[in-house]
Amino acid sequence: AQTVTQSQPEMSVQEAETVTLSCTYDTSESDYYLFWYKQPPSRQMILVIRQEAYKQQNATENRFSVNFQKAAKSFSLKISDSQLGDAAMYFCAFLSTGNQFYFGTGTSLTVIP
Amino acid sequence: DVKVTQSSRYLVKRTGEKVFLECVQDMDHENMFWYRQDPGLGLRLIYFSYDVKMKEKGDIPEGYSVSREKKERFSLILESASTNQTSMYLCASSFLPAYEQYFGPGTRLTVT
Repeated sequence: AQTVTQSQPEMSVQEAETVTLSCTYDTSESDYYLFWYKQPPSRQMILVIRQEAYKQQNATENRFSVNFQKAAKSFSLKISDSQLGDAAMYFCAFLSTGNQFYFGTGTSLTVIP
Repeated sequence: DVKVTQSSRYLVKRTGEKVFLECVQDMDHENMFWYRQDPGLGLRLIYFSYDVKMKEKGDIPEGYSVSREKKERFSLILESASTNQTSMYLCASSFLPAYEQYFGPGTRLTVT
């Protein structure tokens, strides 16, 4: 079975600063997808960013970017120019070729004004 | 906007009761998912469905069953609720598994 590990249960960042959330995963597959989802307090989970394993180029979405290191099985999320609205629980997720989703345990991000 | 709705935000049931959690999506998505979310454990996939009447077990299907009679509706059934099924249950849908999942607001189920 695949595993997804988020080793930082909690992180904090000053407003306007940059923060990186880490994620590692374990798989023997070569084709898969990776995701970062955000769950704001008492609000619905939404997709932040998505990466196809066959693409070497790191995905970016405005202030959000990933550092995808396939050989190291690492998929970190960088949030630049942090805003108060970025405060949320962030989940890393892995999609296997069997269409099974595996989520990490989450990182709670606090943004300090 | 895609909308995924869940029948209840909060539910309290007694041990041994049969519990139905309903999920409806309005975007004609093929794929629907049921997860449970527990502190320190993240989200764990219970079941998913890639078409009407089709289902696949996820990571933790024991104690649960599902039903998908119509494309827009995916039900999670707890045949005999137990206290260890107290949790937040999240439903999601997507056009394809590799595409963005749209989540519902969740149902917080307490089994006493």
